[in-house]
Amino acid sequence: AQSVTQLDSHVSVSEGTPVLLRCNYSSSYSPSLFWYVQHPNKGLQLLLKYTSAATLVKGINGFEAEFKKSETSFHLTKPSAHMSDAAEYFCVRGGGFKTIFGAGTRLFVKA
Amino acid sequence: EAQVTQNPRYLITVTGKKLTVTCSQNMNHEYMSWYRQDPGLGLRQIYYSMNVEVTDKGDVPEGYKVSRKEKRNFPLILESPSPNQTSLYFCASRPPFSRGGLDNEQFFGPGTRLTVL
Repeated sequence: AQSVTQLDSHVSVSEGTPVLLRCNYSSSYSPSLFWYVQHPNKGLQLLLKYTSAATLVKGINGFEAEFKKSETSFHLTKPSAHMSDAAEYFCVRGGGFKTIFGAGTRLFVKA
Repeated sequence: EAQVTQNPRYLITVTGKKLTVTCSQNMNHEYMSWYRQDPGLGLRQIYYSMNVEVTDKGDVPEGYKVSRKEKRNFPLILESPSPNQTSLYFCASRPPFSRGGLDNEQFFGPGTRLTVL
């Protein structure tokens, strides 16, 4: 069965320091991978998606993710955290019909 | 404005009282889906629909029904709600596959917070 594992349930960083949110997926011929963000009491917003055109994917608000097939990973990074980045982040795997969400990583940003 | 709408946004009900949560999209998407969100579990897929009159179970379909009589609408029906269906529900729709055969991103509604007493 397809699966998505977000390796950290909570991540805490200081403002201005790098962010790393880790995601591993179960292997597949051609995974459809996404990162979504959910701010408190808000809906889900797409951060970025893997398109197979490039292994390094750039998203909104300075976020990036690198697709590593050999490691079955799709980690999300940002060079410098901002207070407004505090939210919950979901790694998502599509595959035609079913959609699998990771359990989420809550990002805390300290001033 | 392209959007997915859900109604109601908030609902408190009692065990066993049938309810329907509506979902509508104005983007002419063929694919629609329902999810529930629970703390520590992320979002889990309840049902999805590839097109009109075509629906299938996701990972947590027990206690739910859906129908897809029109392309734009995909209601979620709880025939006999129970307290364990207290959750935050999201509807989503998605355009057809992108070039290369990968999924396009889904567009989510604002969510419906359901409490079953």
